[in-house]
Amino acid sequence: QKEVEQDPGPLSVPEGAIVSLNCTYSNSAFQYFMWYRQYSRKGPELLMYTYSSGNKEDGRFTAQVDKSSKYISLFIRDSQPSDSATYLCAMRYTGTASKLTFGTGTRLQVTL
Amino acid sequence: EAGVAQSPRYKIIEKRQSVAFWCNPISGHATLYWYQQILGQGPKLLIQFQNNGVVDDSQLPKDRFSAERLKGVDSTLKIQPAKLEDSAVYLCASSLRTTDTEAFFGQGTRLTVV
Repeated sequence: QKEVEQDPGPLSVPEGAIVSLNCTYSNSAFQYFMWYRQYSRKGPELLMYTYSSGNKEDGRFTAQVDKSSKYISLFIRDSQPSDSATYLCAMRYTGTASKLTFGTGTRLQVTL
Repeated sequence: EAGVAQSPRYKIIEKRQSVAFWCNPISGHATLYWYQQILGQGPKLLIQFQNNGVVDDSQLPKDRFSAERLKGVDSTLKIQPAKLEDSAVYLCASSLRTTDTEAFFGQGTRLTVV
């Protein structure tokens, strides 16, 4: 079993839709949870991070962490064609070097 | 602020040949990472440097991969000899400190081994 599981998609939605992206994990020691966006032939860029459980909102993006279920989510409201990319969840322990464990990524396509 | 620079962008080599990738991190960033991203997978950490010392190289195949970070700035990653399964994108990233949440990634070097 992989430490971090993520549905690879692809996920296709119409412009304006609400998108839900999810990851599950097996190691309860993870404390920092991140979402990276990766455009084709580019490196990943950090979208949001959350420490421990709870919600965090930034514009059209909301990150949720449910540590009891070992489940994290990223919601995108009013999705735009420019949101078309691969979304990678990543997580790491606290108190150690910043070694990130990534999911496989979900490819999202927002259509006009 | 300039980002993380990597070269070359693309490389095609035959199996058993050697190859080297170069990375210049963001100025002032003490921590440098090399990740391997195989098509359809998330990035996997190969090696992490703090200045010019190795913090974590537990997933680096040391029989064929080597990396160095001279003077705590630029870094090179070498593969010798390459295997077909080394075909991947090699991403370099940097952060101010080891404990930073955000690491900034370069565009990567896409390696194809034929």
